[in-house]
Amino acid sequence: AQSVTQLGSHVSVSEGALVLLRCNYSSSVPPYLFWYVQYPNQGLQLLLKYTTGATLVKGINGFEAEFKKSETSFHLTKPSAHMSDAAEYFCAVSPGIQGGSEKLVFGKGTKLTVNP
Amino acid sequence: NAGVTQTPKFRILKIGQSMTLQCTQDMNHNYMYWYRQDPGMGLKLIYYSVGAGITDKGEVPNGYNVSRSTTEDFPLRLELAAPSQTSVYFCASSYFGTGGNQPQHFGDGTRLSIL
Repeated sequence: AQSVTQLGSHVSVSEGALVLLRCNYSSSVPPYLFWYVQYPNQGLQLLLKYTTGATLVKGINGFEAEFKKSETSFHLTKPSAHMSDAAEYFCAVSPGIQGGSEKLVFGKGTKLTVNP
Repeated sequence: NAGVTQTPKFRILKIGQSMTLQCTQDMNHNYMYWYRQDPGMGLKLIYYSVGAGITDKGEVPNGYNVSRSTTEDFPLRLELAAPSQTSVYFCASSYFGTGGNQPQHFGDGTRLSIL
């Protein structure tokens, strides 16, 4: 069974500072990995995804994530935080091409606060 | 450019009442999903569908029912509402993707309170 752990339910950074949101996964097969963002009173929207190929993935709004198989991690980063980045971020995993399932398993989320 | 549309946006129910949460998508996606989101718990899959006429249980299906008569619509039915069903409900859809490499597109949610 797959699982996702997001370290830190709340992260606070200053505007202009580095954003680092941590995600570790557990999967018995090569997974597909996703980061979603949720703004207040909205649904989730895709930030970026890793399926195959390059392990450093760039997404929208200046975010990127690196798939590290040896560390079973897929941490999300952004060099300089902006006030508009304040939101809740979810990491998710699917079992990939070998898993035969279209279902995603979500982490519990990390709420990002950006201080002026 | 509607995407996934959920109605209603808010609803208050009394214990024991029933209701249907509506979800429709205009992207011709095969796969549709219902999740519930509780504070600090992430999203839990209630039911999903891989195409019209085909549905299956997710992680937390008890107290809910679904149907999928068309590609576009995937309503979620609550029978005998209970306080434990107070939550935010999200509908999502995606293209068929081998192994789940296709992203899911989410609606804006239905906020449901059971009193």
